[in-house]
Amino acid sequence: NAGVTQTPKFRVLKTGQSMTLLCAQDMNHEYMYWYRQDPGMGLRLIHYSVGEGTTAKGEVPDGYNVSRLKKQNFLLGLESAAPSQTSVYFCASSPGQVETQYFGPGTRLLVL
Amino acid sequence: GDSVTQMEGPVTLSEEAFLTINCTYTATGYPSLFWYVQYPGEGLQLLLKATKADDKGSNKGFEATYRKETTSFHLEKGSVQVSDSAVYFCALSDNSGAGSYQLTFGKGTKLSVIP
Repeated sequence: NAGVTQTPKFRVLKTGQSMTLLCAQDMNHEYMYWYRQDPGMGLRLIHYSVGEGTTAKGEVPDGYNVSRLKKQNFLLGLESAAPSQTSVYFCASSPGQVETQYFGPGTRLLVL
Repeated sequence: GDSVTQMEGPVTLSEEAFLTINCTYTATGYPSLFWYVQYPGEGLQLLLKATKADDKGSNKGFEATYRKETTSFHLEKGSVQVSDSAVYFCALSDNSGAGSYQLTFGKGTKLSVIP
């Protein structure tokens, strides 16, 4: 039982490049989330999903897209990376809306 | 909107000292409250939670009581260890059913425990 895993662990991009971050969970959770963590800001929700095939915007969605084609996977895409997207990205999942969220180990992204 | 305010860090304590990290919240409904811990280089882990007023969450010697009258959820531990060095986040989950699915986090408090 791996819990929540994230790929890759670290990535360097140039401004304007695109990439996809992959999150996978093996707990059969319905809800999945993408957060970004910036120094002194805590965690802020980017997008979330309440089930396979659904996505919704969180607090800071601009510049990101997501897809949930399979229940166990939640992808975060950056179409044209900007230096302001340099951050640590965390994926999380939960069985329900008010249930405990389980976090992945994070992806550190540097945009030059 | 919902918000969480926790004490500024960093906090440095000697081993076996008493720890308090203050957390207060603003919410429209009756939120669930959480403390998450992030060890260096890792993701967040749930430390404890409380789902209604006067509930006490506890785990690994840490405790926090949901105080509705003071809108607080302060984290305490009687005797900290070096292994407790981490960043601690207070968070709330809106249970009002208004469609808010996110956890609202405080900014985090970094704790360093020295031998």
